[in-house]
Amino acid sequence: DIQMTQSPSYVSASVGDRVTITCRASQNIRSWLAWYQQEPGKAPKLLIYSASRLQSGVPSRFSGSGSGTEFSLTINNLQPEDSATYHCQQANSFPRTFGGGTKVEIK
Amino acid sequence: QPQLQESGPGLVKSSETLSLTCSVSNGTIANSSFYWGWIRQPPGKGLEWIGTIYDSGNTDYHPYLTYYNPSLNSRVTMSVDRSRNQFSLDLTSVTAADTAVYYCARRGDNGRAFDFWGQGTMVTVSS
Repeated sequence: DIQMTQSPSYVSASVGDRVTITCRASQNIRSWLAWYQQEPGKAPKLLIYSASRLQSGVPSRFSGSGSGTEFSLTINNLQPEDSATYHCQQANSFPRTFGGGTKVEIK
Repeated sequence: QPQLQESGPGLVKSSETLSLTCSVSNGTIANSSFYWGWIRQPPGKGLEWIGTIYDSGNTDYHPYLTYYNPSLNSRVTMSVDRSRNQFSLDLTSVTAADTAVYYCARRGDNGRAFDFWGQGTMVTVSS
């Protein structure tokens, strides 16, 4: 199985800040990586697919980059509604695997 | 946009079978380019992929493709009910470790990602 390691597991930042979350895959997954946002008590919501492509309807302050084994999700101009847990997921091979999640808190 | 809704018992006894159904509206499960999956999340923990099913819509031999998480030790079976536009999950021999929120989701055309999700249903395994 491909292991997905996210860091940090928790980040606290202020409105307007830039936040970057990293996801590392245990083997090459090319660009088969997705990022999801999950608010408490809700289902995950797709933000980014294919490592860097913004899902329709997602604000442009969210961006993704990377390929191979190193990926990142950046939130520019952090907003109060961005308080959530963010998950990465590899879609290169079965079984699909997720990172452990990163909780973003607004100061 | 498609809508997905999970249904099933919220409480299952240990060693029994957990059965859930996902009803899909504003979209057809069979004979589409989409795959359909189950993902779960134990309380306070991360997401775990359970399995994915594809229904080609064919009426001949082998119309379905299924992919399961091997960590579940062959306890998983997924199926499709075309007449009701639903897909289902059966998880046998459950233990407390199977207590989780269970989500059904659609794997869209974009990057093999899950683009639409149900709201989730909490299933507790009791002893």
